[in-house]
Amino acid sequence: EPEVTQTPSHQVTQMGQEVILRCVPISNHLYFYWYRQILGQKVEFLVSFYNNEISEKSEIFDDQFSVERPDGSNFTLKIRSTKLEDSAMYFCASSRQAADNQPQHFGDGTRLSIL
Amino acid sequence: GEDVEQSLFLSVREGDSSVINCTYTDSSSTYLYWYKQEPGAGLQLLTYIFSNMDMKQDQRLTVLLNKKDKHLSLRIADTQTGDSAIYFCAESIQTGRRALTFGSGTRLQVQP
Repeated sequence: EPEVTQTPSHQVTQMGQEVILRCVPISNHLYFYWYRQILGQKVEFLVSFYNNEISEKSEIFDDQFSVERPDGSNFTLKIRSTKLEDSAMYFCASSRQAADNQPQHFGDGTRLSIL
Repeated sequence: GEDVEQSLFLSVREGDSSVINCTYTDSSSTYLYWYKQEPGAGLQLLTYIFSNMDMKQDQRLTVLLNKKDKHLSLRIADTQTGDSAIYFCAESIQTGRRALTFGSGTRLQVQP
């Protein structure tokens, strides 16, 4: 069964550095998402992306964050200048169509640790 | 704003049924989802239900939706040790809006 794949599985970065998290969504999916889960807290929505532009974003997704689909397969989340509070598990997800009954399929996540 | 609540922990014996409960606040919920997270893994979609349905059954899984009380439950029949995981309830609240709102997850422990 097709999967969403994320790399790396664990990323350790110094505070203030830029980090790029990578995702390969399921190949025939058109909508892409990033969520994060701070340790001990709920999974929180960050951003959704469709047709090469952001379709929705949360208050968390401020100017430090950006997303890109640099080619036909990858979907990336960049954090420009990381802060300690960016430490979390970051999940990528994708869904097939615009219809609401197309559920989101998640990757295994990237654990981001900011030192 | 929308909120989704779950109890944190459930322990059952192997072979028993498990019932994991979820409550949500937003009456405009369109779809409600159950995801499973095993240790070190991502969120695996188990099942989902549209808000105009009361029940959905899929093999050992039964989802019940009480829209009046804004209560969702996931019943796992004949629970196995491999069902031990964290189970997340999530909702999408408006047609066209895709962000999922998650509960805090229920850790299911299955004792042999």
